[in-house]
Amino acid sequence: GENVEQHPSTLSVQEGDSAVIKCTYSDSASNYFPWYKQELGKRPQLIIDIRSNVGEKKDQRIAVTLNKTAKHFSLHITETQPEDSAVYFCAAFSTGGFKTIFGAGTRLFVKA
Amino acid sequence: GAVVSQHPSRVICKSGTSVKIECRSLDFQATTMFWYRQFPKQSLMLMATSNEGSKATYEQGVEKDKFLINHASLTLSTLTVTSAHPEDSSFYICSARDQGITDTQYFGPGTRLTVL
Repeated sequence: GENVEQHPSTLSVQEGDSAVIKCTYSDSASNYFPWYKQELGKRPQLIIDIRSNVGEKKDQRIAVTLNKTAKHFSLHITETQPEDSAVYFCAAFSTGGFKTIFGAGTRLFVKA
Repeated sequence: GAVVSQHPSRVICKSGTSVKIECRSLDFQATTMFWYRQFPKQSLMLMATSNEGSKATYEQGVEKDKFLINHASLTLSTLTVTSAHPEDSSFYICSARDQGITDTQYFGPGTRLTVL
């Protein structure tokens, strides 16, 4: 079935450094890839997304890249700040099953 | 952005009772809503896809008779956990698909269910 793998599970960076989270997906019918940030006890919040007709998208300090051939997509956070500390989930929406499958999550710690 | 509400936010119940959780899209119509379960420090696991006016589609391993889903209108889906047991204690999150210009999912705030 559909599967989304996410790495690393935990990431610790110094404030100001960059953080990169990588995901791979299995369903070639996936065409929409959102990234969510979830703070402790709260709902996931969409932070950026990318569609299959685009290779890269940037929004201020956050960027996402997509390699459809390799079925890889990545989240890049530059100039990290302590408030970026949270769990980040990648996801892939499949037009085949009309559902979104989430990666296992990455716990990001930004040390001041 | 679009708003999805969920009620109740927290519920504590005795083992064997049933609990109903509501998910509402407040400013858009959602023909499709999704129900997820999230255990502590884990990812969101899709339980079922709720389609307005038709039966829900359940993921493998999810008991449809235990987790009853009703999507009676374009803005409301309900999840009923029947005969709840302590192992059903979890964070239940719904999301609604806004098929407007952006075709985006919006998440509700979640319901924390504790079964004693």
